[in-house]
Amino acid sequence: QKEVEQNSGPLSVPEGAIASLNCTYSDRGSQSFFWYRQYSGKSPELIMSIYSNGDKEDGRFTAQLNKASQYVSLLIRDSQPSDSATYLCAVRGSSNTGKLIFGQGTTLQVKP
Amino acid sequence: NAGVTQTPKFRILKIGQSMTLQCTQDMNHNYMYWYRQDPGMGLKLIYYSVGAGITDKGEVPNGYNVSRSTTEDFPLRLELAAPSQTSVYFCASSPAGVNYEQYFGPGTRLTVT
Repeated sequence: QKEVEQNSGPLSVPEGAIASLNCTYSDRGSQSFFWYRQYSGKSPELIMSIYSNGDKEDGRFTAQLNKASQYVSLLIRDSQPSDSATYLCAVRGSSNTGKLIFGQGTTLQVKP
Repeated sequence: NAGVTQTPKFRILKIGQSMTLQCTQDMNHNYMYWYRQDPGMGLKLIYYSVGAGITDKGEVPNGYNVSRSTTEDFPLRLELAAPSQTSVYFCASSPAGVNYEQYFGPGTRLTVT
């Protein structure tokens, strides 16, 4: 059973701090890695994608991938109360069907 | 572009009733997916399609059926609704190719009583 694991949280950080969200996956053949943000009662929104080892930065968001350790993370710098949401990690395996396996999500609370 | 649209937004069904959840995308994406999300849980794949006329089961297909007659539409059919099908249903689509980034519709909240 291919799995994606996240700490469900809640992760609580003060406004302006760095939030660090982590995800591990079991399938060594995984090709693509995604972070989705989901506000309560809303649908998942794609915020970051990463395909090769290393860091990828987009504004206040940085995705980090380490395929050897089967680990992907999301850093949110200068966290804002509007960042309070559930963050879902999703992993695509080696097939070309585009199927993703989602973690259960980490709830982030940014306190003013 | 409207992206991925879903109807209805909310629905209450009685046990044993049937219904179809509609999903349409206007991005000319080949791949489409149906997920369910139970409270506090991640997304579970129900069915997916890699193109018109081609569908396959995901992780939790029991109690559901799909069809894909056009690139744009991917309806999900619930037959003989059960309380276990109470959930939020999301449709998503992605382009074929290297990245397969999935884009989600707004969801349908279904209650079976």
